[in-house]
Amino acid sequence: QKEVEQDPGPLSVPEGAIVSLNCTYSNSAFQYFMWYRQYSRKGPELLMYTYSSGNKEDGRFTAQVDKSSKYISLFIRDSQPSDSATYLCAMTQSFISNFGNEKLTFGTGTRLTIIP
Amino acid sequence: NAGVTQTPKFQVLKTGQSMTLQCAQDMNHNSMYWYRQDPGMGLRLIYYSASEGTTDKGEVPNGYNVSRLNKREFSLRLESAAPSQTSVYFCASSDPRAGRTFYEQYFGPGTRLTVT
Repeated sequence: QKEVEQDPGPLSVPEGAIVSLNCTYSNSAFQYFMWYRQYSRKGPELLMYTYSSGNKEDGRFTAQVDKSSKYISLFIRDSQPSDSATYLCAMTQSFISNFGNEKLTFGTGTRLTIIP
Repeated sequence: NAGVTQTPKFQVLKTGQSMTLQCAQDMNHNSMYWYRQDPGMGLRLIYYSASEGTTDKGEVPNGYNVSRLNKREFSLRLESAAPSQTSVYFCASSDPRAGRTFYEQYFGPGTRLTVT
């Protein structure tokens, strides 16, 4: 069983819809949870991160972490065609204890298409 | 700033051939990483370098060697390419510093390698 599970999709939704992307994980030591966005034929870029449990909002994007369920989510409001990309979740235990050697565990990515 | 650059963008090799993938960053980052991305497997760490002069194995190091030539450059070498090494390879860098609790990994655009 993989440490991080992510539904690969593909997921297609109409423009303006609310999108929900999710990951589950098995390692209870994970403390930092990241979402990367990867456009076709490009490298991943960090969208946002959260520490421990709770919500974090950045514009149309909300990241949610439920450590009790080992479940994280990314919500996209008022989705736009420019949001069409693959979204990767990533996690790690700590940046301080692994100074310079932080090893991120990635999900497989969910391919999202926003239909105009 | 160019960020993280990788060469070549595409490469086709025959089984048994060797090649070196080049990576450079202009952000003065100490840490650099090599990942491979395969369908259904997500991003997996091959090797990383916490600082100039140091390298260490990641999750899937077999069949690869790395060189941290200087602070800017981190190369990945395939000594005898195998079809199982067909993948998209990403280089990344980050800037860990004392007192920081989070530091982002910045990815290059990737090298698409096919081994026949």
